[in-house]
This record gives sequence, C-alpha cells and structure tokens, in this order.
Amino acid sequence: TQLLEQSPQFLSIQEGENLTVYCNSSSVFSSLQWYRQEPGEGPVLLVTVVTGGEVKKLKRLTFQFGDARKDSSLHITAAQPGDTGLYLCAGEKTSYDKVIFGPGTSLSVIP
Amino acid sequence: GAVVSQHPSWVICKSGTSVKIECRSLDFQATTMFWYRQFPKQSLMLMATSNEGSKATYEQGVEKDKFLINHASLTLSTLTVTSAHPEDSSFYICSARGLGSYEQYFGPGTRLTVT
Repeated sequence: TQLLEQSPQFLSIQEGENLTVYCNSSSVFSSLQWYRQEPGEGPVLLVTVVTGGEVKKLKRLTFQFGDARKDSSLHITAAQPGDTGLYLCAGEKTSYDKVIFGPGTSLSVIP
Repeated sequence: GAVVSQHPSWVICKSGTSVKIECRSLDFQATTMFWYRQFPKQSLMLMATSNEGSKATYEQGVEKDKFLINHASLTLSTLTVTSAHPEDSSFYICSARGLGSYEQYFGPGTRLTVT
C-alpha cells in the first residue's frame, strides 16, 4: 500500500496548457517536497512545504500544502516542453524522518 | 551549494561479483544519507538510511548482508552490492541531508547492470 498517492500517473498535454498534479495521503506529514526527475538522472528538489495551507510559487509552478497537511498539489501554468519529466512528491511524517516517495506523475509536454 | 556526487555513474559487472558505489556530499556535511533504488518507469524505493558513525537502518525486505552500507564520514557513504545477480540491475540513487535540514539533495544516480 502506497503511503503517498499521486494522480494522474501519466499526463500528455500540448504546449501552453495548464495542468495540476495531486499528491494525497491518509497520513499527516510534517513536510512535503516536490521533485522533478529526468531519465537517467537523480531527482531535483523543486520545493518544500511545511505549513498547512502554505502556497509557494516558483515561476510558472504553484505548490500548495493542504490545510490538514495530508495532501499537496502542483499546478503548472502554460506548460513548456522543458517541463517534461517525472514529478515526484515525497514526505516525512515527522521532522528529520526518512522520506517516502509517491509513485510519480510522468508529464509529457508536446510542442 | 548542496551538491551530491556518485561514483561510478554506471557499472557493468558479472553475476557473483561485488560492486561498490560511493556517495559524496561535496559542499556540506551530511549527517544522514539515504540509499534508493529505482526500476524503469517507477518511483524511488528507499533501501536504507545511514547516519554518520552508526549502523544503517534497512527498510523491510532489503537484505542487510547483500547491500552493505557504510557511512564512515560526514561526506561519504558507500553501498556495496555483494554477490550481484541480474535482478539487482537497477538505478541506485543516494541522497544526503545536513544537520537540522528538512531537505535532502540527490546524487545523479548509478546505473548497475549485472550480466
């Protein structure tokens, strides 16, 4: 059983479209991170959210942590081919605990 | 800052041999390092957590005697795959976290192929 679920699992969209990726759990997390991974490379940290209800923006990416700290979303505005990759959410249930990864969302942005 | 390196980036070995993978934090002291494996089209699966100077904590189902982890210094952890078999072929990724930090930084990964 996955502690963290992500949806959708796969997403293929046209350049310029908007999209949202969801990360859900029945457990409370002290923090959640979002990573982007390209084939053959390690994940790259995009953001860490630690406060319930927190919203963080990184250029065209908007991250939100649910009020109850059980879920998070990643919204991309005007997607570009360079956004293509595997998006992973990861969380730790207590501070400085091990980090558990969700199954990932594979995004493909078509020019 | 927060750069983590892995060596080698890829390795091919014969079945029955052992392979050592190094993970280094280049510009910070990593009190905790994590080892993951990742199969194609799948997410990262945590194998073990190692704290400097302590024995590694392995996740359920990971064989301690097969995957030997050493974290002898604040900048280096090693994973040795002993008596490798083709089913051990995978992408192995390490990450490192500094004291008091939420965030972990990942190495570029090591592609292991066992023939």
